[in-house]
Amino acid sequence: EVQLVESGGGLVQPGGSLRLSCVASGFTFSGYWMSWVRQAPGKGLEWVATIRHDGNERYYVDSVKGRSAISRDNAKNSLYLQVNSLRAEDTAVYYCAGDGGRDWGQGTLVTVSS
Amino acid sequence: DVVMTQSPLSLPVTLGQPASISCRSSQSLVYSDGNTYLSWFQQRPGQSPRRLIYKVSNRDSGVPDRFSGSGSGTDFTLKISRVEAEDVGVYYCMQGTLWPHTFGGGTKVEIK
Repeated sequence: EVQLVESGGGLVQPGGSLRLSCVASGFTFSGYWMSWVRQAPGKGLEWVATIRHDGNERYYVDSVKGRSAISRDNAKNSLYLQVNSLRAEDTAVYYCAGDGGRDWGQGTLVTVSS
Repeated sequence: DVVMTQSPLSLPVTLGQPASISCRSSQSLVYSDGNTYLSWFQQRPGQSPRRLIYKVSNRDSGVPDRFSGSGSGTDFTLKISRVEAEDVGVYYCMQGTLWPHTFGGGTKVEIK
């Protein structure tokens, strides 16, 4: 059974940083592109970033480009998202998603507030 | 960026009746490999999204056959042949052809 388990969310002050993690199991993690998708409270889905299976390509939505980094450790079956200079508009549930959205985690809530 | 426009925003449906959701993209979603990377997702209340359809018309494993996807180029449709109570939720289209990937704004399906 495929499982994606996110962690690392929480309450952060504006301007702060956060590192989100996602641990995968039940499939060959190293063979798949992985993504982060977020959903602000009561809003729709927003694609945030994607990383190629070997980590050699990365893509970001403009709103996080330059202050975020997606990475992975295939030896640990883990995906990460580092977000710096956090803003109120980054408040959302962040989902880890695999293989074009075939698999999703339960999400981790990030709240940016003073 | 590719803008994905869904309609309607809200779709009240009678149980057992069909439903149809439209999704239009601001650019063609045909990739250089000939594939069209248009997916449909369902998000039930309080749950994570679930992919129903990928590459326009391919149903994911475990998805009931009352769900079907069609379309080409910039114009796509998700159809539910006979709506059941468990189909209540918000449906999103998403393009994975061009970077950044983008979602439609969502269509809320509810029972009349």
